[in-house]
Formats: sequence, structure tokens, C-alpha cells
Amino acid sequence: QVQLVESGGGVVQPGRSLRLSCAASGFTFSSYAMHWVRQAPGKGLEWVAIMAYDGSDKYYADSVKGRFTISRDNSKNTLYLQMNSLRAEDAAVYYCAKAYCSGTSCPPDFWGQGTLVTVSS
Amino acid sequence: QSALTQPASVSGSPGQSITISCTGTSSDVGSYNLVSWYQQHPGKAPKVMIYEGSKRPSGVSNRFSGSKSGNTASLTISGLQAEDEADYYCCSYAGSSTWVFGGGTKLTVL
Repeated sequence: QVQLVESGGGVVQPGRSLRLSCAASGFTFSSYAMHWVRQAPGKGLEWVAIMAYDGSDKYYADSVKGRFTISRDNSKNTLYLQMNSLRAEDAAVYYCAKAYCSGTSCPPDFWGQGTLVTVSS
Repeated sequence: QSALTQPASVSGSPGQSITISCTGTSSDVGSYNLVSWYQQHPGKAPKVMIYEGSKRPSGVSNRFSGSKSGNTASLTISGLQAEDEADYYCCSYAGSSTWVFGGGTKLTVL
């Protein structure tokens, strides 16, 4: 069955960096686009970024553009999110989600359980 | 990338039907047939209930249905059950490979 397991969350000071990982199994990872979506405590979902199946295309929400980088290693079935210059407003549970298809116009399908990022001095 | 507009809360009694609206603009909901709906129980990951406006994934009850008119998409749940109580989020393609979510709607089954 499809499984997505996020890791790498934790407490980080403002201005510092963190890298999240999402290990995928149960499907052909290299055939699907992947999303990152976040949810601040008690708040709604916010789309963060998407990467096409082969890593050729990637797009970001304006709120993270220039600070976050999405990447993937299809040989390791793993998605990443490098987060730099973290701000208090970046604190959230970060979910990775498999897309329905391979391109960047494919919506989220199956979601992982998320990893919590806390930004605090 | 402004969030789509959803009612903060809706409620209904068991067996009744409810509809949750999701209002966007001509740049997102109105331009694409790419609205998805997600159910989220407290402390859990979201689960897709509807995709591409009205398609139901396998395993999702046919009590859930989706539609769209102009810039507004809707999720209807018929025959409400206690287990339907959750937060519901719409999501739309917004062009240029970006996506936008609604603010979420808390469904209470009375």
C-alpha cells in the first residue's frame, strides 16, 4: 500500500535552516509529481511546493519562494524540502503528498502523516 | 495566491444532506476543472474525497459528490453520518503550476 513518511522536523531558531525528507513506498515514486503542503497549528492547509515526476519542473507558493527548495531522488524514493531563512510564520506541520499524475497540474492524492516544524528562539 | 473562501462551519443531523461551498475566482476555480476536496479528522492527515471537480476515488462513499458553477465549487454529503464530522478543505489549480486551498470548513453532525 502507498506509504509516505516525513522526517526532519524539529525546533529551529529564526533565520536557520532545516531539511525535511519524505520516504515513499508502495507505488512507483518516479512516475508521480509530489507536493509539500503545510498546516500551522490550529489553521488551514497551505500549499507550499510541487515537483514533477522527473524533477524537471518545480514551483513554489509566493510565501516561500526564494527560501525553500523542493527536490527529489528517484533512486532513493525520497522527496526533500530544504527550508532556509526560517521565520516564525513557517512553523507548521509539513505534509508531503503524492500527486494523481506526473505533472505539476496534478492535485494531491495520498498524504503522509506530517512532520512538525517549530521556529522559536 | 489568495485562499479560496469556504464557510467556517456547517452542521446537520444524521441522515440529512449538507453542502459546503468553495468560492474562488476566474483565475482558479472558474478556469479549471481541477478542484479537489479533502477530509481531515483531528490529528490526522487529509484524505481526498473528490478530485477533478466531481470524481470519487475508489473506496470513498457515494454519499460524497462534487460540482461546480462558475467560480464556486461545492461538496455535498448526503445521508450524514457521525463519522463524517471533520474539517473539509477544497483545493484548486491556480495556473502556472500553483495550487490554492480554501480556509477549511468544520462539519458538525448534530
